[in-house]
Amino acid sequence: GAVVSQHPSRVICKSGTSVKIECRSLDFQATTMFWYRQFPKQSLMLMATSNEGSKATYEQGVEKDKFLINHASLTLSTLTVTSAHPEDSSFYICSASPASGPDSVQYFGAGTRLSVL
Amino acid sequence: AQSVTQPDIHITVSEGASLELRCNYSYGATPYLFWYVQSPGQGLQLLLKYFSGDTLVQGIKGFEAEFKRSQSSFNLRKPSVHWSDAAEYFCAVGAGNTDKLIFGTGTRLQVFP
Repeated sequence: GAVVSQHPSRVICKSGTSVKIECRSLDFQATTMFWYRQFPKQSLMLMATSNEGSKATYEQGVEKDKFLINHASLTLSTLTVTSAHPEDSSFYICSASPASGPDSVQYFGAGTRLSVL
Repeated sequence: AQSVTQPDIHITVSEGASLELRCNYSYGATPYLFWYVQSPGQGLQLLLKYFSGDTLVQGIKGFEAEFKRSQSSFNLRKPSVHWSDAAEYFCAVGAGNTDKLIFGTGTRLQVFP
């Protein structure tokens, strides 16, 4: 149980194009979904938190117009990197939680490696 | 503010040897603590968690961790490491009364045969 699917696993795009990444909770309804960014050999940095049907809450320093998050249903959240540039190349990971609160467990997708040429 | 420190960036052990990965946290109240493992190019898998109660927590894959409030630590242990345990290990703390997790910088475990 508690499987989170993330798609695509890898994407290469040209500078200036937009890329959409999907995150689905397959066997549970996700009260909250999270989007992280991970640089090589570094830890996960939280980008934003999203709840179904409401606007995402972005962390300080994350451009909300650059990284569009949509949480249309309790099992699906999408991250769109708009007008991608080489500096946006990174490993993006989503997670989903079936509950809320500090004792809720996050279940992670396998990640998406974005390479912007 | 909450923070997590993993002092060891890289650890190498022989297969069959015991393992301890260190994690120290900074948090004013009783923390919610987690250990996750990440294989290359993959997402994170939950190994174990501590919310309250018994300070020695058992997890999957033979791992355990002990919460020591006096030392602000939550070290991960395994009595006998397998080659398949080679991965990146992250300690995390629940951030206050929110759903957020604060991650440490990770420890890369390498296992030699």
